[in-house]
Amino acid sequence: KNQVEQSPQSLIILEGKNCTLQCNYTVSPFSNLRWYKQDTGRGPVSLTIMTFSENTKSNGRYTATLDADTKQSSLHITASQLSDSASYICVVIESGGSYIPTFGRGTSLIVHP
Amino acid sequence: DAGITQSPRHKVTETGTPVTLRCHQTENHRYMYWYRQDPGHGLRLIHYSYGVKDTDKGEVSDGYSVSRSKTEDFLLTLESATSSQTSVYFCAIRESGENHYEQYFGPGTRLTVT
Repeated sequence: KNQVEQSPQSLIILEGKNCTLQCNYTVSPFSNLRWYKQDTGRGPVSLTIMTFSENTKSNGRYTATLDADTKQSSLHITASQLSDSASYICVVIESGGSYIPTFGRGTSLIVHP
Repeated sequence: DAGITQSPRHKVTETGTPVTLRCHQTENHRYMYWYRQDPGHGLRLIHYSYGVKDTDKGEVSDGYSVSRSKTEDFLLTLESATSSQTSVYFCAIRESGENHYEQYFGPGTRLTVT
C-alpha cells in the first residue's frame, strides 16, 4: 500500500528561525511530489511541485528537496514568520492516468514571537 | 481558490438523516474530488469524477454517494448519516494537461453528526 510518512508530527519554533520538515514515501511508480500549506479552517494550498528529475524547488522562503532514489523529501522554511504557523502536508502522486494522490498526515508548525 | 465554493460551510445533523454537500466550480475543470479530513489521518479520497456522470470510488467511499449532472457541480450525499462521518469535507479540482498539474481545494465543509 502506498504510504507517505511525515516528521515531526508537530514543531514549535521562534520567529526568525529556520526549520526543516521531512517526508518519506513508498509510492511507486512515482510521478510527482507536492508540499501544501494548510491554514487552520482553510483548504490546503500548493507550495511546490517536483517531478522525478527535480532535486530542489523554491517558492519564496520555502525550499523543497527531493531524493527520488531514497524516496525522501524535505521542506525548508527560512526566516520563519508568524504567518507560517500552519499544517504542512506532503502529497505524492502515482504515475498513471487516475491521479490518485497519497497524503501524509501533515506537520503542525507553530511559530512563536 | 480557482473559483471553488462549498455549501454549506457548516452543518449539524442527526444520525440517520440524509445530508448533501455541494461543490461548485466556475472554471469548467473536468476532474473533481471529494475528500474527508480527520485528526490523525491525512486527507482521504471519498469519490472523484472525471466528467459529467462519470464517477469512481476512492478509498473511503462506503456510506457515501456522489452525482455530477453538470460540469460545475459535484454533490456528495450521505444517505443515512452516522457519527463516524463527522468530519471536515473538502472538494478539489485539478487542472488538465501535464502530469504535474495543479490541484486546488475548496474552503471545506465542517459536518457534525450527533
